[in-house]
Amino acid sequence: QITLKESGPTLVKPTQTLTLTCTFSGFSLTTSGVGVGWIRQSPGKALEWLALIYWDDDKIYGPSLKDRLTITKDTSKNQVLLTMTNLQPVDTATYYCAHFFGDYNSARRFDYWGQGTLVTVSS
Amino acid sequence: SYVLTQPPSVSVAPGRTATISCGGSNIGDKGVHWYQQKPGQAPVLVVFSDSDRPSGISERFSGSNSGDTATLTISHVEAGDEADYYCQVWDSNSVSVVFGGGTKLTVL
Repeated sequence: QITLKESGPTLVKPTQTLTLTCTFSGFSLTTSGVGVGWIRQSPGKALEWLALIYWDDDKIYGPSLKDRLTITKDTSKNQVLLTMTNLQPVDTATYYCAHFFGDYNSARRFDYWGQGTLVTVSS
Repeated sequence: SYVLTQPPSVSVAPGRTATISCGGSNIGDKGVHWYQQKPGQAPVLVVFSDSDRPSGISERFSGSNSGDTATLTISHVEAGDEADYYCQVWDSNSVSVVFGGGTKLTVL
């Protein structure tokens, strides 16, 4: 059974750096074709893909925030971390991590999601 | 960058069939995945690779993809199907995940 759970601060001040942790079980991030991604959703808005890290440590970032994001993995702890710099109120959102699968383009999708964690950016 | 366009809302009576579109340039050449998100919950994958269903997803959910439009079809709609639905593709040109803007399905 694959599960993922996000953790991190719920309240961050403007200009601060946010680090979120995704702790997962039921799969290994050393298996070919597997990745973990981060997606966020501002209140009442659509899903926005942020970043993706693959089993081979390849990292891909979404175009809108890539200069502010860093994604890393710790396979020994079954964790993926997302760091976002210079938080602003517009970054207030629910942040999800999700298991990503697809060893060819047409199959690449998020098939298991964490419950999400709400991060509020406010002074 | 690649853009996916969904209607903001779709309404359907219980027992009828709902269709939700997802438009994109030559989307028929890509694999389309659909997620259901109920209020306060995380998204759930309901259709992948255009028309496949994950284990545990009702057969009432089906998908198709051709030309510039992919479609999610929900037959015999139930009140419990009321949710936001998102399409998603992998864009190999920009090497990125792309989500549509979402469609709110209302069961009348």
